[in-house]
Amino acid sequence: SAVISQKPSRDICQRGTSLTIQCQVDSQVTMMFWYRQQPGQSLTLIATANQGSEATYESGFVIDKFPISRPNLTFSTLTVSNMSPEDSSIYLCSVEVLGWGGYTFGSGTRLTVV
Amino acid sequence: QKEVEQDPGPLSVPEGAIVSLNCTYSNSAFQYFMWYRQYSRKGPELLMYTYSSGNKEDGRFTAQVDKSSKYISLFIRDSQPSDSATYLCAMRVNTNAGKSTFGDGTTLTVKP
Repeated sequence: SAVISQKPSRDICQRGTSLTIQCQVDSQVTMMFWYRQQPGQSLTLIATANQGSEATYESGFVIDKFPISRPNLTFSTLTVSNMSPEDSSIYLCSVEVLGWGGYTFGSGTRLTVV
Repeated sequence: QKEVEQDPGPLSVPEGAIVSLNCTYSNSAFQYFMWYRQYSRKGPELLMYTYSSGNKEDGRFTAQVDKSSKYISLFIRDSQPSDSATYLCAMRVNTNAGKSTFGDGTTLTVKP
C-alpha cells in the first residue's frame, strides 16, 4: 500500500495566522483526502483533492478557510487560514487503498492555535 | 443521532483477554465495513475490512458484520500490550469515491 509523508508533524500557531500542511505519497493516486480529527471525536472529511480540478469540500468547510492545492498525482497541501483556537485539531491526509474504499493515512499534523 | 455509534470506552483488560469492540449504524445502505487501529500520535491504520455480512478472520482478529441488526464487531483474541490503541470503525456505501463514515473510536489498554 501507499506510504504517506505528512509535515509538519505538529505546530503551535498564533491566532490569525495560516499554516500549510504538506502531504507526499510514494505513488501516483487520483484522489487525496483531508480529514480533521478533534479530541475524542471521529474523523471528519474536510475535502477531496483531485489533480487538475478544484477540490470538493464537505458541508461546513469552505475553500477560503481551507484552501487546497493538488499540483500533481503525488502531492497535496492543505492550508488552515486565519486560524482561531477552534481550529486546534489533528489534520490527516489519506489516499484510498486498492480502490475499494479503505484508506491509508499520513501520521497527522497536530495543530494548536493560541 | 449519528449514523455510526461506537462503544465509547475506554476499555482496560489484562493481557490474554478476549476483547470485543462494537459499532452500530443506522444507514442500511452501508456495504463496506472497516476497522482502523490508531496508536498515540499516529494516523489510523487499516486493520480489517469486510463486505456485506459475515465474518472475516486474520490471525488474532475477527471482524463480524450483522447487517440485519446493523451491528459490527471486532474481536481480539489473546490480547497483547501492543494492541493498546484506539480502534475506529468505519463504513461506506460504495466504492465510487464515496466517503467513509467513522465512529468516534474506542480506546483499549491491555495491561501486562
